[in-house]
Amino acid sequence: LAKTTQPISMDSYEGQEVNITCSHNNIATNDYITWYQQFPSQGPRFIIQGYKTKVTNEVASLFIPADRKSSTLSLPRVSLSDTAVYYCLVRIGGSQGNLIFGKGTKLSVKP
Amino acid sequence: DTGVSQDPRHKITKRGQNVTFRCDPISEHNRLYWYRQTLGQGPEFLTYFQNEAQLEKSRLLSDRFSAERPKGSFSTLEIQRTEQGDSAMYLCASSLSIDNYGYTFGSGTRLTVV
Repeated sequence: LAKTTQPISMDSYEGQEVNITCSHNNIATNDYITWYQQFPSQGPRFIIQGYKTKVTNEVASLFIPADRKSSTLSLPRVSLSDTAVYYCLVRIGGSQGNLIFGKGTKLSVKP
Repeated sequence: DTGVSQDPRHKITKRGQNVTFRCDPISEHNRLYWYRQTLGQGPEFLTYFQNEAQLEKSRLLSDRFSAERPKGSFSTLEIQRTEQGDSAMYLCASSLSIDNYGYTFGSGTRLTVV
């Protein structure tokens, strides 16, 4: 049984809003949900982090429903440079559980 | 400060040899993490330090793997008796305690075991 689930890939066009959802049914009760972006041959880069409801920063928004069993990363107006793999990071199985990165969603932005 | 530095960037070794990687975190960061990433997968947690104390280690981590952070600054990750399955990108990250999981990652060390 997968610990987190993300779509394997998504396609978009420049200027569109992109929403990527991560499902994490067994998330630890009192812990953060974090999202990262990764380009080829580079380490992941922190995008945004939240605990509940909605968080917004200069590059993205993060929506977390009340049950916290999923989270959605929203990229408002994507450009070609947003083509990358996006990962959610959550703790699964309680406060002593494992910190798990999802398998990632490969976003391709087309002109 | 130029971010998190990892050395070497690439390492090719023969099966059975020992290898050691180095990570220099952002200087004011007290937390340091090691992750491993294979092609097409997300990073897999290996271990974590707060200052010089190793506070968490993955239960999946073989005892051939050992990490140190002797003075709470740089860290080393050693793999003894390497196996082909150890081939991966080894990523180091650092953060402040208040950042929760908002890490800064290095560019990684790519290990190939032949």
